[in-house]
Amino acid sequence: AQSVTQLGSHVSVSEGALVLLRCNYSSSVPPYLFWYVQYPNQGLQLLLKYTSAATLVKGINGFEAEFKKSETSFHLTKPSAHMSDAAEYFCAVINQGAQKLVFGQGTRLTINP
Amino acid sequence: DAGITQSPRHKVTETGTPVTLRCHQTENHRYMYWYRQDPGHGLRLIHYSYGVKDTDKGEVSDGYSVSRSKTEDFLLTLESATSSQTSVYFCAISESRNTGELFFGEGSRLTVL
Repeated sequence: AQSVTQLGSHVSVSEGALVLLRCNYSSSVPPYLFWYVQYPNQGLQLLLKYTSAATLVKGINGFEAEFKKSETSFHLTKPSAHMSDAAEYFCAVINQGAQKLVFGQGTRLTINP
Repeated sequence: DAGITQSPRHKVTETGTPVTLRCHQTENHRYMYWYRQDPGHGLRLIHYSYGVKDTDKGEVSDGYSVSRSKTEDFLLTLESATSSQTSVYFCAISESRNTGELFFGEGSRLTVL
């Protein structure tokens, strides 16, 4: 069975600082990995996805994530935080051939002016 | 934006009463999902559908039933609501079963007193 663990339920950074949100996965087969973002009072939307092509994946709004098989990680980064990045971020995994996406617990990102 | 409408968006009800949440899509996607979102748990899958009249259980299906009589509608029913079912419920749709790319509705906030 696949699962993801997000390290840190809350992350706070200053505007302009590096954003790093951590995600580790567990999967017995090569997984597909995702980051979703949820802005206040909205549904989730796809930020980026890894599907076994390039290990460095670029998403919307300047975010990117790197798949590291040796570390079973898929951390999300952005070089310079913006106030509009304040949201909750979810890492998710699905095994190839499976039908169900499994989400992590979420990390709430706060941006300080 | 994907055409997904959830209704009602907010509902307050009493323990023991039946509740039905509706998800309506205009994208003609085959797969539809119901998730619940709770602090510290991320999103957990309740039920999903892979076609008209074809449904299956997710990880937290106890106390919930679903029906899909038309491609565009997926209903979630709580036969006898309990306080533990107070949550935000999200409907999601996808075009194929294992891409992990889901489009979410805006959520239905249910409070069971």
